[in-house]
Amino acid sequence: DIVLTQSPDSLGVSLGERATIKCKSSQSLLYNANTKNYLAWYQQKPGQPPKLLFYWASTRESGVPDRFSASGSGTDFTLTITNLQAEDVAVYYCKQYYDVPITFGPGTTVDI
Amino acid sequence: EVQLVQSAAVLKKPGESLKISCTVSGYRFANYWVGWVRQTPAKGLEWLAIIYPGDSDIKYHPSFQGRVTISADKSISTAYLEWSSLEASDTAMYYCARRGATNGVDRGGFDLWGPGTLVTVSS
Repeated sequence: DIVLTQSPDSLGVSLGERATIKCKSSQSLLYNANTKNYLAWYQQKPGQPPKLLFYWASTRESGVPDRFSASGSGTDFTLTITNLQAEDVAVYYCKQYYDVPITFGPGTTVDI
Repeated sequence: EVQLVQSAAVLKKPGESLKISCTVSGYRFANYWVGWVRQTPAKGLEWLAIIYPGDSDIKYHPSFQGRVTISADKSISTAYLEWSSLEASDTAMYYCARRGATNGVDRGGFDLWGPGTLVTVSS
């Protein structure tokens, strides 16, 4: 199975500041045939299902504010939240869909 | 409205059988993969299985194959996850989710999620 690790486990950020979350994969998620990275990012708030933020590592899902950005390739990926808002308090997960089984990272908790 | 509606929470005993459902509306059920993901405090988010209702193509997590069965009924736009013999370790919140696609091209992420079905297995 492909293992995803995330860092940090949790971080506290002041309103208006930047939060940076890392996701590292045990093997490359870059499929050379189409040059796509098979990685997605999700946000989960208490009592809610996860919400898709990005797919193909950096393609923003419709409706996601542009203060969220994502980057990376191969085995190393980053989710960045600039100008953090109170509603961004949540747990953030990366997920790989390069291979079966699909696997998720352990999550990073972002709070104020 | 595009949505996934899941069956209600359930309390079962070890050894009992269970089938939970996910009924979709607002889009063509046959044209999108639907998967099941469970969540526990101990193990976080775990993907179990996925089905393409159009042709019943199925993929299982090897760790769950044989323990759960995924299926779909196109006539009522509903996907299912089934156990023949529950164990306490199956206690979790179970989500169904649609794998996104644009013009038939897979986008990879689960773009729509149901609200979850809480399954509790306890004697």
